[in-house]
Amino acid sequence: AQTVTQSQPEMSVQEAETVTLSCTYDTSENNYYLFWYKQPPSRQMILVIRQEAYKQQNATENRFSVNFQKAAKSFSLKISDSQLGDTAMYFCAFPADMDSNYQLIWGAGTKLIIKP
Amino acid sequence: NAGVTQTPKFQVLKTGQSMTLQCAQDMNHEYMSWYRQDPGMGLRLIHYSVGAGITDQGEVPNGYNVSRSTTEDFPLRLLSAAPSQTSVYFCASSYSIQGSSPLHFGNGTRLTVT
Repeated sequence: AQTVTQSQPEMSVQEAETVTLSCTYDTSENNYYLFWYKQPPSRQMILVIRQEAYKQQNATENRFSVNFQKAAKSFSLKISDSQLGDTAMYFCAFPADMDSNYQLIWGAGTKLIIKP
Repeated sequence: NAGVTQTPKFQVLKTGQSMTLQCAQDMNHEYMSWYRQDPGMGLRLIHYSVGAGITDQGEVPNGYNVSRSTTEDFPLRLLSAAPSQTSVYFCASSYSIQGSSPLHFGNGTRLTVT
């Protein structure tokens, strides 16, 4: 079965610190995409970053980067210079197959709190 | 550019009542979907649509109906509300159905059924 595991239910760090959220997954697919979504208190789900499994280079979006280890099926999210606005639930997810992006396999989420 | 707009933001229903959650997108996306989010869980797919006039069931379709008469709108109907349908509902759209295409979400509707 395809699964996503986020082992940290909650984390908190001081503003400006770096924090890493972990995500491990299981799939028998060889090519796939992985996503991190952020859900702030406003509730809207927002895409943070995505990674294609075929690309060895880790994706980066400004202060957000991933450490993708395909063999280990690990997809952690690093947030550098954390800001108060980064406080949110963070979800790791990937599509069940490459032809149906609406059928995502989701982790349970990590609640991240940035303290001033 | 409003993106994906959901209404209402909050709703309280009594068991047995029916209602429609509205979803509209202005990005000309062909693909739209509805999810529910329960505490401690990721999103679960209720129904989805790959274009006007085409809908299909997701993981948890029972108790919900959808229709897609236009590209822009994808309403979700609760036929006879039950306490088990208390949840936060999200509508999403995307320009492609491919696994590489990220979803654009609305702000969600918090529904409570008493």
